[in-house]
Amino acid sequence: NAGVTQTPKFRVLKTGQSMTLLCAQDMNHEYMYWYRQDPGMGLRLIHYSVGEGTTAKGEVPDGYNVSRLKKQNFLLGLESAAPSQTSVYFCASSFGGRGYTFGSGTRLTVV
Amino acid sequence: GESVGLHLPTLSVQEGDNSIINCAYSNSASDYFIWYKQESGKGPQFIIDIRSNMDKRQGQRVTVLLNKTVKHLSLQIAATQPGDSAVYFCAETPGDNAGNMLTFGGGTRLMVKP
Repeated sequence: NAGVTQTPKFRVLKTGQSMTLLCAQDMNHEYMYWYRQDPGMGLRLIHYSVGEGTTAKGEVPDGYNVSRLKKQNFLLGLESAAPSQTSVYFCASSFGGRGYTFGSGTRLTVV
Repeated sequence: GESVGLHLPTLSVQEGDNSIINCAYSNSASDYFIWYKQESGKGPQFIIDIRSNMDKRQGQRVTVLLNKTVKHLSLQIAATQPGDSAVYFCAETPGDNAGNMLTFGGGTRLMVKP
């Protein structure tokens, strides 16, 4: 049972480049989330999904898009990366909003 | 929770002592609270949770206390060990948000001295 798996673990992008972060969970959770964590701070919610085919904005959604085409996967896209998006990104899933499980994170640097 | 920017509050304790980490929350509608432990380079790890209809819950070496009157949450760690060194976050979720999204506090760094 792998839980929540994030790929890639590390990435360096140039300003203006695009990329997609992949999150996969094998716990059959309905809810999935993308958070970002900046140095010395707590996690802030970017986007979330309450089920396959649904997405919604969180606290800091600007500059990101998401898709939930399959229940087990939640993708986070950056269309045109900016240095302000340098952060560590965490994906999480939960069963009805309880029992949150986090991935190990993706460290993204935009230069 | 409050953001503390680049400088996390730090609690330094001696190995074997008890630790108390505090968290204030602002949303009176929050009905579920969780403490997470985050070690360097890893994702948050669930420690213990509590619902708003309780004021105390105990786990193995950890106790969470909830005071709804003053909107305060605390995590007590008994007989603190070097492996407890990490950043601890409280998180809350109000019962009325559709995705039960968590709102995180700014975190406290616990350093255990051998």
